Amino acid sequence: QKEVEQNSGPLSVPEGAIASLNCTYSDRGSQSFFWYRQYSGKSPELIMSIYSNGDKEDGRFTAQLNKASQYVSLLIRDSQPSDSATYLCAVNTYNQGGKLIFGQGTELSVKP
Amino acid sequence: ETGVTQTPRHLVMGMTNKKSLKCEQHLGHNAMYWYKQSAKKPLELMFVYNFKEQTENNSVPSRFSPECPNSSHLFLHLHTLQPEDSALYLCASSQTQGTNYGYTFGSGTRLTVV
Repeated sequence: QKEVEQNSGPLSVPEGAIASLNCTYSDRGSQSFFWYRQYSGKSPELIMSIYSNGDKEDGRFTAQLNKASQYVSLLIRDSQPSDSATYLCAVNTYNQGGKLIFGQGTELSVKP
Repeated sequence: ETGVTQTPRHLVMGMTNKKSLKCEQHLGHNAMYWYKQSAKKPLELMFVYNFKEQTENNSVPSRFSPECPNSSHLFLHLHTLQPEDSALYLCASSQTQGTNYGYTFGSGTRLTVV
């Protein structure tokens, strides 16, 4: 089992729709969870962090965490073509010395 | 300069060459990381330095040799690489290893081994 799993996509949504990106992780001791956005040819950029069960909202982005199910998601409301990118889920594995482990990323395409 | 700066942005090297990648962070962080990103694969952690001390070597071949002279600078020395080492090499930093606050990445070095 991969430590952090994401559906690689591509996920295609129309402009204005809600994009839903999902991530599961295997280390039950993980306490910090992050979403990074990576445009083609660019480096990852941190867009959301979440530490407690429930929802965390920041503008059009909402991160959701369910530690019991070992599941974290990112919702993007009112998706724009500029949101087209690869979204990386990252988990801080304290049980392995506190390092970020990344999923393979989900490619999102927002169609005008 | 702010953030995390990597040089060079692009590098083409032969299998017998020796080259070095440089990373510098201006964030006052104490932990620095090297990641490798190949097409269609997750980011792979290579090395971790915390307060200048190497704390992790993720079974990286010896043809990759890291150096961390201080908390602001990180190098990756390359020699006798293979074509499969072609990838995007990303440097990142964080307040300390195990921080709750995520990592800041540099722009990366796109390496091509010919």
